[in-house]
Amino acid sequence: KNEVEQSPQNLTAQEGEFITINCSYSVGISALHWLQQHPGGGIVSLFMLSSGKKKHGRLIATINIQEKHSSLHITASHPRDSAVYICAVSGGDKLIFGTGTLLAVQP
Amino acid sequence: KAGVTQTPRYLIKTRGQQVTLSCSPISGHRSVSWYQQTPGQGLQFLFEYFSETQRNKGNFPGRFSGRQFSNSRSEMNVSTLELGDSALYLCASSLGAGDPLENEQFFGPGTRLTVL
Repeated sequence: KNEVEQSPQNLTAQEGEFITINCSYSVGISALHWLQQHPGGGIVSLFMLSSGKKKHGRLIATINIQEKHSSLHITASHPRDSAVYICAVSGGDKLIFGTGTLLAVQP
Repeated sequence: KAGVTQTPRYLIKTRGQQVTLSCSPISGHRSVSWYQQTPGQGLQFLFEYFSETQRNKGNFPGRFSGRQFSNSRSEMNVSTLELGDSALYLCASSLGAGDPLENEQFFGPGTRLTVL
């Protein structure tokens, strides 16, 4: 069993829909990162959080330390949100990555 | 402010050769981390350098090594290349205050290495 699990693995949505991507982890962590990777490889850090909730534009990230679970929400989704979303946790001396969620937003 | 740069962007090598990849962090960032991304294994953490010292290390064989210079630029070396080393190699920089892995990571565009 992977130490960081993401769901769903693939997600197709219609433009304007509310999207949720989930991340569960089994190790003790000091921080959790949400990353976005577009085709071609470039990775952008969306959020880093260790408690509570953060919001940036249409993106919201939450984390529940007790339940070892985090969610990334996208409101009013747009085709430009199509990308792979990756959850990563800082566990001790290394970053551990989830396998990613491939999101396709159709116009 | 310029972003993280990596050179070269693409590289083709043959088995048994060695390769050196370079990463220049954002000005003022003192921590540089390296990652390997493959279709089968996804993203994996290689190592992290801070002030010229390796502070964190992932589970990779000793063929993978790195170093960091006084200007925070970092190089990664892979010796005796194997077919399985074909991957996208990404570096990321962060300010590095406290635990670098608890800082926001700024990624470079990556170097795509193909081993034939």
